[in-house]
Amino acid sequence: KNEVEQSPQNLTAQEGEFITINCSYSVGISALHWLQQHPGGGIVSLFMLSSGKKKHGRLIATINIQEKHSSLHITASHPRDSAVYICAVRPNTGNQFYFGTGTSLTVIP
Amino acid sequence: DGGITQSPKYLFRKEGQNVTLSCEQNLNHDAMYWYRQDPGQGLRLIYYSQIVNDFQKGDIAEGYSVSREKKESFPLTVTSAQKNPTAFYLCASSIALTSLPSDTQYFGPGTRLTVL
Repeated sequence: KNEVEQSPQNLTAQEGEFITINCSYSVGISALHWLQQHPGGGIVSLFMLSSGKKKHGRLIATINIQEKHSSLHITASHPRDSAVYICAVRPNTGNQFYFGTGTSLTVIP
Repeated sequence: DGGITQSPKYLFRKEGQNVTLSCEQNLNHDAMYWYRQDPGQGLRLIYYSQIVNDFQKGDIAEGYSVSREKKESFPLTVTSAQKNPTAFYLCASSIALTSLPSDTQYFGPGTRLTVL
């Protein structure tokens, strides 16, 4: 049983397209993080959400706590957005993070 | 520049040999973590440490050992008892283990271990 489910697993888009990646989770959480993993393997944090919506450049993240669901949107996608996007949740109890399996995004010029 | 370094980036070992992966941080973080990443799976926690000379097992600690003699350093040893050691290993740190929910984890670049 995976506490965090992401969809789709793989996504290919044309440059300029609007992209949505979804994350559903089954536990009560104190925060949800969206991470980006580049082909070399390094991981950077994009957003931390506990409610509502956040925007950073072309990236928008939303969360619905009642529905236990979050989405990551990329507007005007670009080949440099190609990466694996990982959803991670911090449960209300305990200190661990639970990670989704990631969505592999490829943006074609 | 503050951050987390892991070395080496690629590591090859023969089956039956122990191998130690390095993780160093200069962020002055108390908490450090080791994760394993396999294709098609989410990151899985191997060990974590919230303070010097203290560490706890994560979900998949069998076949691994760690030490935390210095705040900056959290090396991971993959022992010969680990049945399937070939994987990508990521080290991370955060301000404190019992940190605010908003506190994020900072990740190192990872070490890809291949056991032949």
